[in-house]
Amino acid sequence: GAGVSQSPSNKVTEKGKDVELRCDPISGHTALYWYRQSLGQGLEFLIYFQGNSAPDKSGLPSDRFSAERTGGSVSTLTIQRTQQEDSAVYLCASSTGSYQPQHFGDGTRLSIL
Amino acid sequence: GENVEQHPSTLSVQEGDSAVIKCTYSDSASNYFPWYKQELGKRPQLIIDIRSNVGEKKDQRIAVTLNKTAKHFSLHITETQPEDSAVYFCAARVDSSYKLIFGSGTRLLVRP
Repeated sequence: GAGVSQSPSNKVTEKGKDVELRCDPISGHTALYWYRQSLGQGLEFLIYFQGNSAPDKSGLPSDRFSAERTGGSVSTLTIQRTQQEDSAVYLCASSTGSYQPQHFGDGTRLSIL
Repeated sequence: GENVEQHPSTLSVQEGDSAVIKCTYSDSASNYFPWYKQELGKRPQLIIDIRSNVGEKKDQRIAVTLNKTAKHFSLHITETQPEDSAVYFCAARVDSSYKLIFGSGTRLLVRP
C-alpha cells in the first residue's frame, strides 16, 4: 500500500477487556515497530520485528502486552486485561531495513473506561 | 541507555520569523538523528534526518545541525508559515541499534 495502515483508528473498551490492534506495513518493508504515545508525551518504543528474526520485546511495559507478526507482514499488538493507564495512541512504523528511516501509520487511539 | 532531552516544550513565533528547536542526547555512540512533524491527530512525518558524519543538512526552509562534541542537534525552520504549526519530535539512534529514542516534543505555533 501507499503507507502504513493501522486499524481500528479508535478503540474504546472497558477496563479488564482484551484488545487487538492491527498494523499493515508498507509493502516490502521488512522492519516493523510499535510505539506508544501518551497524551502530550513523546513516543515510547514497545517492540520491533525484523524479517524472521526473534522480535525485540524489551519495550513492552508488562506481560499483558504481546505482539505477533505473521508472514513477515501484518502485525497485531494485543493488550490483555486492559487498565486505564493503557490509554494512549499506539503507533506502528515500518522501514526497509533495521537502520533505515521509519514511516509511521496514523495510530490507534485506545481509551480504557 | 540513551536519553534525549528536547527544548523548548512550546514555541510561539510570528509568521516569517525563524524557529529553533534543540535536543541533547546522552550516548556518544548515537549516529542517526531524525526529526518528525506531527500535526494534531495525524501521524508523525519524517521531515529531515542527519547522520553523525555530517554537521549540517538543509532542505528548503528546514535545516538540522549536529554538534557531536557537545552531543546536541537542532532543527531550524526559516520563514515560518502557519502550516508549520505542529508538534516536532527529535530522536536519536545508537550505533548498531534500531531503536529510536524520542524527545518529549515541541509544540510550535506560528502566528499569522
